[in-house]
Amino acid sequence: AQSVTQLGSHVSVSEGALVLLRCNYSSSVPPYLFWYVQYPNQGLQLLLKYTTGATLVKGINGFEAEFKKSETSFHLTKPSAHMSDAAEYFCAVWANQAGTALIFGKGTTLSVSS
Amino acid sequence: NAGVTQTPKFRVLKTGQSMTLLCAQDMNHEYMYWYRQDPGMGLRLIHYSVGEGTTAKGEVPDGYNVSRLKKQNFLLGLESAAPSQTSVYFCASSYGQSVETQYFGPGTRLLVL
Repeated sequence: AQSVTQLGSHVSVSEGALVLLRCNYSSSVPPYLFWYVQYPNQGLQLLLKYTTGATLVKGINGFEAEFKKSETSFHLTKPSAHMSDAAEYFCAVWANQAGTALIFGKGTTLSVSS
Repeated sequence: NAGVTQTPKFRVLKTGQSMTLLCAQDMNHEYMYWYRQDPGMGLRLIHYSVGEGTTAKGEVPDGYNVSRLKKQNFLLGLESAAPSQTSVYFCASSYGQSVETQYFGPGTRLLVL
């Protein structure tokens, strides 16, 4: 069965600091991996996704993530945090099996202080 | 282009009451999904639809029913609401599965007393 583990339910950084949100997955087949962001009182929106090809994926708002098969990880990073990055972030996996859908992690809340 | 819309935005029910949540999308997507979001649990799939007239169970389907009579609409019904169904419900749609981006609505906050 596919699963996603997000390490740390809450991450706090200062404005301008590096953002690192951790995601590890479990899948018996090559996965498709996603990061979604949820701003307060809103629905989720896609930040970036990995399907095939280049393992370093760039997304919106300066975020990027690297697929590391050997580590079964897909960590999300941003070099310099902005106050507007404060939100909840969800990692998700799709394992390309019929009848399944996205499997979401439990989420990581990012706080950014000035 | 409104994307995915959900009605209502907020609702309070008493135990045993019924209600229907409406999701509408104007992107001509084949696939539609209902999730529930609970604190510390992430999003869990309730039901989904791969096209008009078809529905399938997700991870947590008990206590819910769905219908997809029109391609653009996906209805989620609670026949007899329970306090355990207090949650935020999100609808999403996508052109296809797997690599396709899911587009989410703004959510419906449901409180069952």
